[in-house]
Amino acid sequence: GAVVSQHPSWVICKSGTSVKIECRSLDFQATTMFWYRQFPKQSLMLMATSNEGSKATYEQGVEKDKFLINHASLTLSTLTVTSAHPEDSSFYICSARDWAASYEQYFGPGTRLTVT
Amino acid sequence: GNSVTQMEGPVTLSEEAFLTINCTYTATGYPSLFWYVQYPGEGLQLLLKATKADDKGSNKGFEATYRKETTSFHLEKGSVQVSDSAVYFCALSSNQAGTALIFGKGTTLSVSS
Repeated sequence: GAVVSQHPSWVICKSGTSVKIECRSLDFQATTMFWYRQFPKQSLMLMATSNEGSKATYEQGVEKDKFLINHASLTLSTLTVTSAHPEDSSFYICSARDWAASYEQYFGPGTRLTVT
Repeated sequence: GNSVTQMEGPVTLSEEAFLTINCTYTATGYPSLFWYVQYPGEGLQLLLKATKADDKGSNKGFEATYRKETTSFHLEKGSVQVSDSAVYFCALSSNQAGTALIFGKGTTLSVSS
């Protein structure tokens, strides 16, 4: 099946610094990618929808200036957490939709961010 | 809008017990339905799916049938194993290009030997 990778798988950063997380679709083209955030023992919260070549669409309550999303190609989307704070510590998961199979959504393994 | 409701956990079972995790949905049109599993410290894995009414998805002994009349997609397994301990998420897709999956809150399953 289709594979989505994320890098890094975990990262520790200091408060006030920025962190970039990459999401790649390895064997298919993804016109749309999604970024989720998962708090411990909770469900996935959709943060934003990323469309190749255009601006991301953010869900209500998500700060677009803090969580910068770039979808520069059909196989790569990046999430940059700017000026990170401890409350940004979370598990970030991306997913990609295979344009050839519109209802299929494939998930990356997630990135564990810890802000100290 | 579209939504998914799952039974709240945790669900605690002994090995070889029968498992049911209830999932109901609200949606317009004809959504696709999914069950995902998340093992501790890992990302989500697709467990099974169904794309139209009366379809049965199955994988690794798990089954779920898409029931449009009851708007349900309950997950079942006849005999659980310790290795099935994980969090299970029911999800819905509207099948419209560019829309994300909508997830239930997740159900934690703990199986003891």
